Amino acid sequence: AQSVTQPDIHITVSEGASLELRCNYSYGATPYLFWYVQSPGQGLQLLLKYFSGDTLVQGIKGFEAEFKRSQSSFNLRKPSVHWSDAAEYFCAVGARGNNNDMRFGAGTRLTVKP
Amino acid sequence: ETGVTQSPTHLIKTRGQQVTLRCSSQSGHNTVSWYQQALGQGPQFIFQYYREEENGRGNFPPRFSGLQFPNYSSELNVNALELDDSALYLCASSLAGTSGSNEQYFGPGTRLTVT
Repeated sequence: AQSVTQPDIHITVSEGASLELRCNYSYGATPYLFWYVQSPGQGLQLLLKYFSGDTLVQGIKGFEAEFKRSQSSFNLRKPSVHWSDAAEYFCAVGARGNNNDMRFGAGTRLTVKP
Repeated sequence: ETGVTQSPTHLIKTRGQQVTLRCSSQSGHNTVSWYQQALGQGPQFIFQYYREEENGRGNFPPRFSGLQFPNYSSELNVNALELDDSALYLCASSLAGTSGSNEQYFGPGTRLTVT
């Protein structure tokens, strides 16, 4: 079964600085990959997704992620962080041809310093 | 287009009781998935319903059960509540049968506290 590892539990960056959140997945083929963001007490909002094609995907709120098959990674990036980006970020992997059993990482909590 | 809604927002139950959580899927979606998110953890897949049938199940005991109705809304039922069932329960809807069918849209969740 597929699995996801987010190595960083908590990251602190200064407002305006660049951001990279790491995600490594385990799956036997090319998976579906997602990044979600969750604000305190809220549900999950989809930031971006990768299904196929261009390995650099653009999402909402200025986020992008790059799928690297050789490294089994799907890291999330943003060139300039805003205070409103402070939240919990989850990477998720879904099996191809199977709409169920999406696996999430444990999440990375982002703190933004003024 | 209406988003995914869940009710109630918060719920407090006593160990051993039963609870029913409700979810209305996004307009046009035919599949509903349920997740349990314990504090400080990522969501864990409970099960999914497609065309009113269970379409996959995670590692949860049978006291977690569900239903999907003809309008694609869904219920999650948990019997014999345990303290460890305290969590945020998330519902997600999607449209099966199209490209990108794994794209799931989440509701705000129901916070269940078991005392």
